[in-house]
Amino acid sequence: EAQVTQNPRYLITVTGKKLTVTCSQNMNHEYMSWYRQDPGLGLRQIYYSMNVEVTDKGDVPEGYKVSRKEKRNFPLILESPSPNQTSLYFCASRTSGANTGELFFGEGSRLTVL
Amino acid sequence: GEDVEQSLFLSVREGDSSVINCTYTDSSSTYLYWYKQEPGAGLQLLTYIFSNMDMKQDQRLTVLLNKKDKHLSLRIADTQTGDSAIYFCAERGTNTGFQKLVFGTGTRLLVSP
Repeated sequence: EAQVTQNPRYLITVTGKKLTVTCSQNMNHEYMSWYRQDPGLGLRQIYYSMNVEVTDKGDVPEGYKVSRKEKRNFPLILESPSPNQTSLYFCASRTSGANTGELFFGEGSRLTVL
Repeated sequence: GEDVEQSLFLSVREGDSSVINCTYTDSSSTYLYWYKQEPGAGLQLLTYIFSNMDMKQDQRLTVLLNKKDKHLSLRIADTQTGDSAIYFCAERGTNTGFQKLVFGTGTRLLVSP
């Protein structure tokens, strides 16, 4: 089954404790992206990657890091989480090129930073 | 930068039509999308429209695009309780080299029996 898999789905952590949210897709997509969803703000892009070893900042990259060492994986790293990073995070992927651009989303990771 | 706006809530009765509206600012928008988010799930593409079209119909869904006013709407006919979800408008255009999908804030649709 074609899917985007994120882990963990739920996480409660404390300020300053490094954490990684993993994302994996099995559709051989070149493009992957991370979004955060906050009430009243919709989805905001954190980072995206056009292909392996190519990453770029989105609209709200501060406090986050990403890496793209393999095509299927795109982990999101919070080196020193703070309470304002409490949010619902989504990983998404799509094929590249000037196509319809349908994004396929994971089920989300709800992060709480105390 | 690019901006997409939607109203936050819409409440309808089962069997009525729902109309969800969206406005955007990017004049280079080429693709416009409607995504649906059900509780506890990620977003799924419902439908999309190219900027050279003004209407697209797909079963109970009708998308209308007014490019001059930069206004997009999604009409759901015969709305069912299973249509209760958050609906996101999104656009993608040449201003960002097609790299970026800009989402609206989402409209929470509540369908009551």
